[in-house]
Parts: sequence; structure tokens; C-alpha cells
Amino acid sequence: QVQLVQSGVEVKPPGASVKVSCKTSGYSFRNYGISWVRQVPGQGLEWVGWVYGLTFDTNYAQNLQDRVTVTADTSAATVYMELRNLRSDDTAVYYCARDANWIVDYWGQGTLVIVSS
Amino acid sequence: QTVVTQEPSLTVSPGGTVTLTCASNTGAVSSGYYANWFQQKPGQAPRSLIYTTTNKHSWTPARFSGSLLGGKAALTLSGVQPEDEAEYYCLLYYNRLWFFGGGTKLTVL
Repeated sequence: QVQLVQSGVEVKPPGASVKVSCKTSGYSFRNYGISWVRQVPGQGLEWVGWVYGLTFDTNYAQNLQDRVTVTADTSAATVYMELRNLRSDDTAVYYCARDANWIVDYWGQGTLVIVSS
Repeated sequence: QTVVTQEPSLTVSPGGTVTLTCASNTGAVSSGYYANWFQQKPGQAPRSLIYTTTNKHSWTPARFSGSLLGGKAALTLSGVQPEDEAEYYCLLYYNRLWFFGGGTKLTVL
């Protein structure tokens, strides 16, 4: 069965970087992309970025493109989302979701990133 | 800046029918926006319900359906159940990027 398992809670000071992982299983990694989505506590969903497993093509939300990088490791069937120069308003739950051919279907369990001094 | 708009809140009676909509400030939503719909309950990850405007996942209950309605994407729940009380989000594709709506809080009362 398709599974996306994310890394654990992260606590970082302002200005630091965080790298969240999303380990996939149960499907052909190269044939799908992975989107990252975040949710500030009590607020709505925000799309962050996407990587395609076959070509490593990426797209990013315009308001984050200068600070975020999404990468894929085919051998480990794992996708990473790195966010740099963290600010307090980056405190959120970050989700990965399988995304290909405009179909978003399976989701990870979420990773809480807390930015605090 | 692309903005996707949903009703902030709706209330429906058990057994009733309700339609949630999803509009874009870029113009009328068409099939080329590949609308996806998600349900989220408190403390849980989102759950995918509808993809590419009208298609259901294998786990999507039959009472959920997607469509285009008056220049918007729409999600209709027919025969609403108490467990359908949740936040619902639409997701639209535009210029190679995805944009979420602000969400609709559906109350079943």
C-alpha cells in the first residue's frame, strides 16, 4: 500500500534552516511527484512546492521560492524539503503529498516545525 | 497574485444536500484548472476526495461529487452524514503552480 512517512518534530531558532524528509513506499517513485503543503496552526493549507521523481523538475510557490528547495533521492525513495532563513511565521505543520498528472492523493502524517528563540 | 476563494462557512442538516464552491480571481474555473478537493478534520492530515474536477478516489464516498458550476469548481454532498462535519479545501492549478482556497468549514446541524 502507498505510504508517505515524514520525519519528526523540529525546533529551530529564527534564521536557521530546516530539512524535512518524506519517505515513500508502495509505488514506483519515479512515476510520481511529491508536493509539500504547510498549515500554520488554526489556519488554512498553503502549497509550498513540488518535485517530480523522474526528472527532478521543481516548482515553488512565489512567496517562498527564494528560501525553499525540494529535492528527491530516487535510491531512497525519499523527498526532502529545506526551508532557509526561518522566521516565526514559518511555524507550521508541513505535509508531503503524492502529486502526479494533477492528481493529489496520498498524504504524509505531517511534521511540526517550530521556529522559536 | 492568484487568489482562490471559498465560502468561509456553511451549515447543512443531516440528510440534506450542500454545494461548496471554489472561484479564482484569474477568471472562470475550467477543466484546465484540474480542481482537487480535500477534507480535513481537527488534528488530522487532509484526505483527498476529488481530483481533476469530477473524479473520485477509490475511497471517496458516493455522496461526494465534483463539478463545474457557474465559472467555479464545486463540491456537492448529497445525503450529508454527521461525520461529514469538517473543513473542506479546494486546490487549483494555474501557470504551473498550485493554489489552495481558504477553506469552507462545514457544520452538520
